[in-house]
Amino acid sequence: GAVVSQHPSWVICKSGTSVKIECRSLDFQATTMFWYRQFPKQSLMLMATSNEGSKATYEQGVEKDKFLINHASLTLSTLTVTSAHPEDSSFYICSARTQGASRPLHFGNGTRLTVT
Amino acid sequence: DAKTTQPPSMDCAEGRAANLPCNHSTISGNEYVYWYRQIHSQGPQYIIHGLKNNETNEMASLIITEDRKSSTLILPHATLRDTAVYYCIVRVPSGIKAAGNKLTFGGGTRVLVKP
Repeated sequence: GAVVSQHPSWVICKSGTSVKIECRSLDFQATTMFWYRQFPKQSLMLMATSNEGSKATYEQGVEKDKFLINHASLTLSTLTVTSAHPEDSSFYICSARTQGASRPLHFGNGTRLTVT
Repeated sequence: DAKTTQPPSMDCAEGRAANLPCNHSTISGNEYVYWYRQIHSQGPQYIIHGLKNNETNEMASLIITEDRKSSTLILPHATLRDTAVYYCIVRVPSGIKAAGNKLTFGGGTRVLVKP
């Protein structure tokens, strides 16, 4: 089945630094990937849609200058949390879909970010 | 996408069938029903999806009512590893680049399988 890999699975960084999270589709090409964020005991919230070769589309309330998304190839999207603060600590999850209009999205295993 | 309503939580016994309901009374004719689950501290896992016919795979069965306003996910023999939050989502199939591919997650049903 389709596999989406995220790296790292967890990261601890100091306030003010930047962190990059990678999302790869291992056995299929993904022209579109999605980035979600999940706070403890809450559901997933969509942050942005990552489009290969073009700018990402951000959901309302998500700062595009803080959460930089790059989708440089058909199998890789990256999310960079810039100038991280403790309130950015969260579980970040990416997803992608294989070809076929009704095909389901497949999710990575998430990255737990802790900003100290 | 049509809104879905699920019970916030349910318990079930290990080895018994678990029946998870979902209401989607405003579903439109071309919207599919998708089920995902999220085990603690992991990304969501796709389970099954369907349009109007009942579906079965190695993980579960999906029963969709004739009017399509509700559905039930059936885990035939629940195990302790099935403890998770289960999400029912409806969406319109879209081209690969369409924003309609994004999924909107509700609160889901927190399922606890007990020995």
